[in-house]
Amino acid sequence: SQQGEEDPQALSIQEGENATMNCSYKTSINNLQWYRQNSGRGLVHLILIRSNEREKHSGRLRVTLDTSKKSSSLLITASRAADTASYFCATDIYNAGGTSYGKLTFGQGTILTVHP
Amino acid sequence: GAGVSQSPSNKVTEKGKDVELRCDPISGHTALYWYRQSLGQGLEFLIYFQGNSAPDKSGLPSDRFSAERTGGSVSTLTIQRTQQEDSAVYLCASSSRGGFGANYGYTFGSGTRLTVV
Repeated sequence: SQQGEEDPQALSIQEGENATMNCSYKTSINNLQWYRQNSGRGLVHLILIRSNEREKHSGRLRVTLDTSKKSSSLLITASRAADTASYFCATDIYNAGGTSYGKLTFGQGTILTVHP
Repeated sequence: GAGVSQSPSNKVTEKGKDVELRCDPISGHTALYWYRQSLGQGLEFLIYFQGNSAPDKSGLPSDRFSAERTGGSVSTLTIQRTQQEDSAVYLCASSSRGGFGANYGYTFGSGTRLTVV
């Protein structure tokens, strides 16, 4: 498996329900980020959580990070049809020298479909 | 500019031709990254620029791929002798603090969809 794997690969829910997506990674991270992509084009940065943080909120988004399990989850509450998109986690990992220059490694993404 | 601009948005080229893809990052962003995304796949890292230098070219798939950045701003990704497997969406992103970790997130352009026929 590779750095940054999302689970599930696809998620289909009704409007108003919550959507939870998970991400696992392999190596020590500086931070972990979630992005949304509509229609296979540019990605939009949603939220960043640093390695010393455990939970972060932004509007209807809640991200958790468990560095002991090397995993993160993205929760979208009260989903809307407009939330339909692909969601990617991306990890900013430390290089061999113990530093990071900000190269992000992306997972394969979760396709979320919210039905009206 | 207000965002990351990429051109062209779409490019269809014949196998064996060379193509140039352009990225104009957000003004003042020192870090610039190129990724490519094949249909239904995640993003594959190609190259990273800090200023005009490229500390990490590890993702370039072959010597047919090259990139440069001038004036700490615009970057050009060149693919020589294109092959059908080069067909993908090529995404550019910039960040203000690449040298200190991507602590501010990336801003992505809308990408160039390259089709090699």
